[in-house]
Amino acid sequence: DIQMTQSPSTLSTSVGDRVTITCRASQSISSWLAWYQQKEGKAPKLLIYKASSLESGVPPRFSGSGSGTEFTLSISSLQPDDFATYYCQQYNRSPLTFGGGTKVEIK
Amino acid sequence: EVQLVESGGGLVQPGGSLRLSCAASGFTFSHYWMTWVRQAPGKGLEWVANIRQDENEKYYVDSVKGRFTISRDNAKNSLHLQMNSLRVEDTAVYYCARDSQAYRYFEYWGRGTLVTVSS
Repeated sequence: DIQMTQSPSTLSTSVGDRVTITCRASQSISSWLAWYQQKEGKAPKLLIYKASSLESGVPPRFSGSGSGTEFTLSISSLQPDDFATYYCQQYNRSPLTFGGGTKVEIK
Repeated sequence: EVQLVESGGGLVQPGGSLRLSCAASGFTFSHYWMTWVRQAPGKGLEWVANIRQDENEKYYVDSVKGRFTISRDNAKNSLHLQMNSLRVEDTAVYYCARDSQAYRYFEYWGRGTLVTVSS
C-alpha cells in the first residue's frame, strides 16, 4: 500500500499568512494526488486534483504543486474561512489512501 | 445540483450488521464510480470501498474484506454498503462520495451517517 505522510500535523497561523502543507508518498504516484479541506462536523471538499489543478469554484489563493513523491498545498493569504483540516489523497493505485491531515488553526 | 444523502447508520453491537444507503441525485448516477469513505471519531479519512459503474469491479480496504459488501442500483440511483461482523473499530462516520469521471478522486461527498459499534 502507498503511505501518505503529511506535515505538519498542526499549523498555528494568522489571517493573511502564507501557508504551506507538505504531503509525501512512500512511492512515486506521478501527479495522481488530490487535496481536500474539511471543516469541523462537515464533509470534505475537493480543492485540488492532479496535484496542481484547481477545482471549479475554489479560490485562486489555493495552489498545489509537486510530482513523484513530494507535494505541497499552499494558501497565499490565509482567510478566516480557511481554518480547517486539510488532507491529501493518492489515486495512483488501490487501495486509495489519505494523509493523516493537517489542522490549520488560529495562532 | 449534485446531492448525496446517506442513511442507515446507528448503534449496533459487536458482531452485528448494518446496511448503509446513499441516495444520489443531480447527475447521471450510472456514469460514475462510487465510493465509501469513513472517519473514526477524531481521526482522519479512510477509504473503505469503491464500485465501478456496471458493478463489475469492486475494491475494499483490507480491514473490511470479507465483512463488507458494496453494491449499487443504477435504476434507483442508490449506493449501498452491507456491513457484517461489525467491530468496535468500525465506529465512524461513513461518507458516500462520487468519483470524478475518469479518476479515483472524489468530487462530491454526502454529509455522512454515523455508525457506532458498542456493547
